[in-house]
Amino acid sequence: DGGITQSPKYLFRKEGQNVTLSCEQNLNHDAMYWYRQDPGQGLRLIYYSQIVNDFQKGDIAEGYSVSREKKESFPLTVTSAQKNPTAFYLCASSIGSGLAGANEQFFGPGTRLTVL
Amino acid sequence: QQPVQSPQAVILREGEDAVINCSSSKALYSVHWYRQKHGEAPVFLMILLKGGEQKGHDKISASFNEKKQQSSLYLTASQLSYSGTYFCGTEVPMDSNYQLIWGAGTKLIIKP
Repeated sequence: DGGITQSPKYLFRKEGQNVTLSCEQNLNHDAMYWYRQDPGQGLRLIYYSQIVNDFQKGDIAEGYSVSREKKESFPLTVTSAQKNPTAFYLCASSIGSGLAGANEQFFGPGTRLTVL
Repeated sequence: QQPVQSPQAVILREGEDAVINCSSSKALYSVHWYRQKHGEAPVFLMILLKGGEQKGHDKISASFNEKKQQSSLYLTASQLSYSGTYFCGTEVPMDSNYQLIWGAGTKLIIKP
């Protein structure tokens, strides 16, 4: 079955620690995205990548870092510089990142990060 | 830049109809609609492209009015399974490509 997997489902972090959230897709999609969702709010883009070894900052990249060494993998690191990291994190992918109907995004199940 | 969704929340009885609106202050190239159930990932419903076309599947359809910079999602004869939060996303130019900007969501509660 093709899809996106994220791990872990729940993650607890102490203040001052860096943590890495995993995102893997086997859909052969070029574009991948990381979103943050806070209670009662929409999705805010953290980082996105259109191709391997390339990624761009989204609206709220401060305190986060990513890598895209393989097409199927796009891990997100939440660093200690992120002041309020408790949130629901969603990874998504799409065939491309342009228009013309090629931009349907497929989401993983999410990781809920809590800072203790 | 974020599209504005209305209403913020709506409560319906099973079988009633609902309309959710998504408005943008910028020109719309495309509008995406997704539904998210609590604690789960958003699920794709449909994409509408520039041209004012109306799309639909099952009893859920949507329209796209380019002049009004607005899209509306129509849920007909709502079922319990329609409950969730509905998000619209609008594509805006970014760098050499496009980025999806999401609305804050409309929470839909269907009661039996």
